[in-house]
Amino acid sequence: DAKTTQPTSMDCAEGRAANLPCNHSTISGNEYVYWYRQIHSQGPQYIIHGLKNNETNEMASLIITEDRKSSTLILPHATLRDTAVYYCIVSPRSTSGTYKYIFGTGTRLKVLA
Amino acid sequence: NAGVTQTPKFRVLKTGQSMTLLCAQDMNHEYMYWYRQDPGMGLRLIHYSVGEGTTAKGEVPDGYNVSRLKKQNFLLGLESAAPSQTSVYFCASSTSTGLAGRLYEQYFGPGTRLTVT
Repeated sequence: DAKTTQPTSMDCAEGRAANLPCNHSTISGNEYVYWYRQIHSQGPQYIIHGLKNNETNEMASLIITEDRKSSTLILPHATLRDTAVYYCIVSPRSTSGTYKYIFGTGTRLKVLA
Repeated sequence: NAGVTQTPKFRVLKTGQSMTLLCAQDMNHEYMYWYRQDPGMGLRLIHYSVGEGTTAKGEVPDGYNVSRLKKQNFLLGLESAAPSQTSVYFCASSTSTGLAGRLYEQYFGPGTRLTVT
């Protein structure tokens, strides 16, 4: 079973920030938080990941609470192309190189025009 | 650079038939994965490979076999298809070279939609 809990669906107005929450209350000290998204039945796409510090890249920002039990993925200016299912995944940083992700059901984000 | 490609895109099988799904990547990635996605559910890992000639079981390996004879190809076989194997199958790959430590970034193919009747 997935170690994360996400809302089933969310709406966001185009141009506004989309804030997608994720609960991972049983996260271990060596586990990272990874975010992927899946646009309309295509293969998933990596977005961002973090351990305990906030992270930002060209796609999104990731805010992780100090106790690491929850996090929020932020899309700063959502567009219609950001409509997708967003997956929050908790997994340890692999020393062998193998990442055996467990994808839950994710959050279906719909960006509204 | 096509990335990760999957063949075929769609297939309908009768119960008991066999088939092979082909995944090919042109990025020289060492690691490759096969997932399945059932309606309304997330992806589940079937098998994976950390290099040419090596394979290992994932979360739901029963009823499937895999082979990695060439670095760029990862084959998923169904010896005797069952209706429970109706699903969308995704292949992914990742690398340990180039940008250091980016094995966590898996690149996915477009998927193969399989129906078993």
